[in-house]
Amino acid sequence: SAVISQKPSRDICQRGTSLTIQCQVDSQVTMMFWYRQQPGQSLTLIATANQGSEATYESGFVIDKFPISRPNLTFSTLTVSNMSPEDSSIYLCSVSYMDTEAFFGQGTRLTVV
Amino acid sequence: DQQVKQNSPSLSVQEGRISILNCDYTNSMFDYFLWYKKYPAEGPTFLISISSIKDKNEDGRFTVFLNKSAKHLSLHIVPSQPGDSAVYFCAAISSGSARQLTFGSGTQLTVLP
Repeated sequence: SAVISQKPSRDICQRGTSLTIQCQVDSQVTMMFWYRQQPGQSLTLIATANQGSEATYESGFVIDKFPISRPNLTFSTLTVSNMSPEDSSIYLCSVSYMDTEAFFGQGTRLTVV
Repeated sequence: DQQVKQNSPSLSVQEGRISILNCDYTNSMFDYFLWYKKYPAEGPTFLISISSIKDKNEDGRFTVFLNKSAKHLSLHIVPSQPGDSAVYFCAAISSGSARQLTFGSGTQLTVLP
């Protein structure tokens, strides 16, 4: 299993600003993922962040809006840029080891006003 | 286009009875299926999984059934307990997808004492 710490756990931000969410894992892991859960919706994959390469974004998500860093095998950040109320969501970091299930952080609840 | 569907947004069950949560999928490339449970303000936690080469997997009170021909899986919880009240997400992984999860929209299970 993995212990995943996400910071902040929640934040209220002004529109037009940016927020960086941190994800720290207690062990080295190759694959890290960032998901979004909009109110009343399912979890949607934003991007896959593997160490040593550029993040791979899913359809509908772009690097300018959601830049991701993956400086080492235990840490990643997701930035939500130029925020609007539509960005209000829960953002979740996830890790996966080969042939095991994915583990999730507790999430960051973002409200944009 | 939702590739993983949970058509029941909510389900209420009496304590001690069986809870059955259903999930349908459309992508024939999915070969691994998982169920996650999510409490408010927490990240999803893994419950149970099943490979496409099996039709049943059991772990304590939780059993997952897979019907590949119908592209349908279900999670049975018996006996249901009030602590099982949570949102349950069905998720799927397709071969070669680097273990990215595609989630259903979730079912809110309420177990009544």
